[in-house]
Order: sequence, then structure tokens, then C-alpha cells
Amino acid sequence: GQNIDQPTEMTATEGAIVQINCTYQTSGFNGLFWYQQHAGEAPTFLSYNVLDGLEEKGRFSSFLSRSKGYSYLLLKELQMKDSASYLCAVADRGSTLGRLYFGRGTQLTVWP
Amino acid sequence: DGGITQSPKYLFRKEGQNVTLSCEQNLNHDAMYWYRQDPGQGLRLIYYSQIVNDFQKGDIAEGYSVSREKKESFPLTVTSAQKNPTAFYLCASSMGQGAANYGYTFGSGTRLTVV
Repeated sequence: GQNIDQPTEMTATEGAIVQINCTYQTSGFNGLFWYQQHAGEAPTFLSYNVLDGLEEKGRFSSFLSRSKGYSYLLLKELQMKDSASYLCAVADRGSTLGRLYFGRGTQLTVWP
Repeated sequence: DGGITQSPKYLFRKEGQNVTLSCEQNLNHDAMYWYRQDPGQGLRLIYYSQIVNDFQKGDIAEGYSVSREKKESFPLTVTSAQKNPTAFYLCASSMGQGAANYGYTFGSGTRLTVV
């Protein structure tokens, strides 16, 4: 399997900026995904990085450094609705399925 | 609209009973997956299927069974052999073998509780 590590919990206040880190070890890296999951609901796609650098999409940005095995998800202008679990997932070229390997998720709580 | 539907949303099972969780997609995706999610743990792969009439065990297949008779459907049976079945079950699909490029589309999940 793959080794994907992200913090268990984070807290922040409304309007602030928060950065959620993810480190990974894989033999055949083929892309990294971030998903948002509200309690009891399906994960929803946020971002995909396969090349080094920053991908910006509205209030959310995702960064990747393949040489460091490192990614972060940056959330700006936090809103209460951003309270959720954020899942980091890595695609492995070595898998014939092209399956994703998931971290344990980071539970973000946004306070007013 | 295309999507992936899981039913039921909540399911209660008595010990010793088998139960089947439904997963249907109309996205024309080739690959389908079943994951289990427990508090504080990442998504763990139970079974996956790349094409009709073919499926493979994932990381935690013991006590589970699946079928893939139609492209649209990938039901999961939780058997009495599964010792700790209480969990949140997520079904997902992806285009071909291209999860690496396209990611997953997830269903809304089924919460199974053993009573």
C-alpha cells in the first residue's frame, strides 16, 4: 500500500486562511486529489494535481511538490460551511486499476 | 443528471444475517469500487470491478461479496462472516481505468449498523 499522512484535526476562524498538508510515499505517483466530505455525505472532488505547482480554483488552491512527496490544500476566506473532513488521495501508476489511496482525512472546524 | 445512487441510506442488520447494499450509476463508467469508512480511518477498499462479470478483492474483502452482472450495478453483500460490519459504506465509479486522471464519483453512502 501507500503511506499517506495528513493531520487529524484543524481549527480556524471564519474569514481566516488555513493550509492542510499531505505527505505521501508511492513508487509510481500518478496524481493527487483532494476531496471534501461533510459528515454522513459523499466525498466531493476539490482538486487534482499531477505536475508541480499551484492550482487555484476560487477560494481553494492546491499545491504539489513531487520531489518532496508533499501537497497542501489552501482554503481562503473561510466560511462556516467549510467545516468538513478533507481527504488527500494519491493515484499510483503501479496499480493496474489506477486506484486511489486515501489518507485518514483532516477534520476542519471553522469557528465564528 | 448522471450520478451514482446508493440505497438504502441507513440499514440495520441483526447479527448472523446477510445484507445487500445497492449501488447504481448512469455515468457509463467502466470501473466501480466499494470502500468502507470508519471513524478516524481512511477509506479502505473492499472490492473493485473494471468490467462487467469481473471483480477483484481489495484490501479488506473478507466477509464481503460482490457481483457485476451489469455495467450500471455493483451490489455489495455483507455476510455474517464479517465480524465488525458496522460502518459507513461508500460506492464509487471512475472512467475506465482512469481513476488516476479522472478521480472518483462517489455515492452518498450507506450507514450499516448491526443490532
